[in-house]
Amino acid sequence: DAGVIQSPRHEVTEMGQEVTLRCKPISGHDYLFWYRQTMMRGLELLIYFNNNVPIDDSGMPEDRFSAKMPNASFSTLKIQPSEPRDSAVYFCASSIGRQFGELFFGEGSRLTVL
Amino acid sequence: AQKITQTQPGMFVQEKEAVTLDCTYDTSDQSYGLFWYKQPSSGEMIFLIYQGSYDEQNATEGRYSLNFQKARKSANLVISASQLGDSAMYFCAMRVMNRDDKIIFGKGTRLHILP
Repeated sequence: DAGVIQSPRHEVTEMGQEVTLRCKPISGHDYLFWYRQTMMRGLELLIYFNNNVPIDDSGMPEDRFSAKMPNASFSTLKIQPSEPRDSAVYFCASSIGRQFGELFFGEGSRLTVL
Repeated sequence: AQKITQTQPGMFVQEKEAVTLDCTYDTSDQSYGLFWYKQPSSGEMIFLIYQGSYDEQNATEGRYSLNFQKARKSANLVISASQLGDSAMYFCAMRVMNRDDKIIFGKGTRLHILP
């Protein structure tokens, strides 16, 4: 079975450019999470969805960040305009149900903003 | 608010020794789950073990066991007979089973296994 698929794996862009990160969760999973990992702040939860509906976006750093989940098999995280402090590894993870809740992570998208 | 605390930023352990990685958590909810993940230098996140708040037995998975002390709100990971391949970053995480269903992580502990 395919795991969580993220693209791109690496992105290098210049300050001010728009960045779009993509995620395909595991089929049948009804929860999708976006995390950001940096050395200084560790793993931060940005936003999560349940059945394609955003439940909590309180971790989104500012209005430059937005996330969508138009259907059960696709989600995007967009940064516009990007800034050097956005450089990080962005993980998407999915899970099924609430009772157990093990997260299955994608391989991450490493973003570098110059 | 929920919180996970890992107080050991780094640890050095001799190969074949047992290792305990500390994790304390804070929640006022009664129903929750605790997880440990391993992140090797390659960057992927690998699920290791899970403990439910109502589970009476400590969880075990191969060389991994979770020392769950509910009254102290601690969920320490124990790795028996450590191996060089255990060198990695280890994260403790919590999921509370209420309306606020997020999963939060601690800052992590970097474990170095010495030959």
